[in-house]
Amino acid sequence: GAGVSQSPRYKVAKRGQDVALRCDPISGHVSLFWYQQALGQGPEFLTYFQNEAQLDKSGLPSDRFFAERPEGSVSTLKIQRTQQEDSAVYLCASSLRTNKFHSGTQYFGPGTRLTVL
Amino acid sequence: TQLLEQSPQFLSIQEGENLTVYCNSSSVFSSLQWYRQEPGEGPVLLVTVVTGGEVKKLKRLTFQFGDARKDSSLHITAAQPGDTGLYLCAGGETSGSRLTFGEGTQLTVNP
Repeated sequence: GAGVSQSPRYKVAKRGQDVALRCDPISGHVSLFWYQQALGQGPEFLTYFQNEAQLDKSGLPSDRFFAERPEGSVSTLKIQRTQQEDSAVYLCASSLRTNKFHSGTQYFGPGTRLTVL
Repeated sequence: TQLLEQSPQFLSIQEGENLTVYCNSSSVFSSLQWYRQEPGEGPVLLVTVVTGGEVKKLKRLTFQFGDARKDSSLHITAAQPGDTGLYLCAGGETSGSRLTFGEGTQLTVNP
């Protein structure tokens, strides 16, 4: 596809369930980012990959959150034992390259809206 | 953690009016980006400014990066209903990689 795709677009989970959110970046993009966007707020950084290496996971709110990108392409964000405060839109973005000075233009997917009941 | 304060949070104006959205921080950013987000979609990049004092124009939109690279503004001339949306500023940190977003300005342009 031409852009970043995410699935599912909507996910409803009962409190305590585990969920897995998928991101397909633009083909050839080295860098991949996950952000969390609460209702009415701007996105907040969660984690960043360069190829398969997770270089920054300082934004993950707890050890219930885990992200992986095993082959340097598709990424999965997993949330274990979901809580109501995890309800948000989870955005994935990819960029062609990044260096210590500039992240490169980040192209965002449509997001996955997670609702925890 | 670097923070970006965006104002106003909400703005409702009539078609044809001008408006300015501000993005301020006490921290220096390597770049400043402006995005527009529609409901149910991800943010779409409008512009990136990287040089202090830089001004960029995109049709009726004018973007400015402060001299000290700590603040930015977005000015829209003769707003149209199609400009309605959530406008987000985002700073690229000097260490690279992550973007720090402001809280967004929800703009509504009434016909």
